[in-house]
Amino acid sequence: NAGVMQNPRHLVRRRGQEARLRCSPMKGHSHVYWYRQLPEEGLKFMVYLQKENIIDESGMPKERFSAEFPKEGPSILRIQQVVRGDSAAYFCASSPSGLGANTEAFFGQGTRLTVV
Amino acid sequence: QQQVKQSPQSLIVQKGGISIINCAYENTAFDYFPWYQQFPGKGPALLIAIRPDVSEKKEGRFTISFNKSAKQFSLHIMDSQPGDSATYFCAASLGYKLSFGAGTTVTVRA
Repeated sequence: NAGVMQNPRHLVRRRGQEARLRCSPMKGHSHVYWYRQLPEEGLKFMVYLQKENIIDESGMPKERFSAEFPKEGPSILRIQQVVRGDSAAYFCASSPSGLGANTEAFFGQGTRLTVV
Repeated sequence: QQQVKQSPQSLIVQKGGISIINCAYENTAFDYFPWYQQFPGKGPALLIAIRPDVSEKKEGRFTISFNKSAKQFSLHIMDSQPGDSATYFCAASLGYKLSFGAGTTVTVRA
């Protein structure tokens, strides 16, 4: 059973370009969470999605950032018109049901975005 | 604001020694307190977790101590090994949302 797969592992974008980060959850998992990790900081919650639904996007910047988890295919985190401050590691996690005290979230290896 | 404060930022311990990492939280509604281990270039992996109705949990060489009244919890790594060298994150969850500490980089010297 493959773990949470994220691609690409490393992504370099010039300022103003778009970045698309993909996350394939573990088999049987229908809940996906995106986190951002800035250097020397812990992970910060961005968004929680279930298939075709955004449950909580309270951690997403209001502009330029969007996320989706379609019925078929991976979850996508999209950053438009990237700026240097978007440089970070973006982690996706998945769980079989809503995360709580009895449900573990499994993290992918992350996508390291560098904006030049 | 930082909902979970973690210290120290880094620590060095000799092989066989004890590593201690401390965390403090503010929100008394948090209902689950996991610790994650992260190796360079990898994603965080759940190491051990505790619920607030328990004061201590031990799994192998890893122990969580939890003080509900002080709103603090800590991770103890006994008999530290070079393979334990990693970054450790404490976290607290409210339902599905995890709030992470800033992380502690542990280096175990052989």
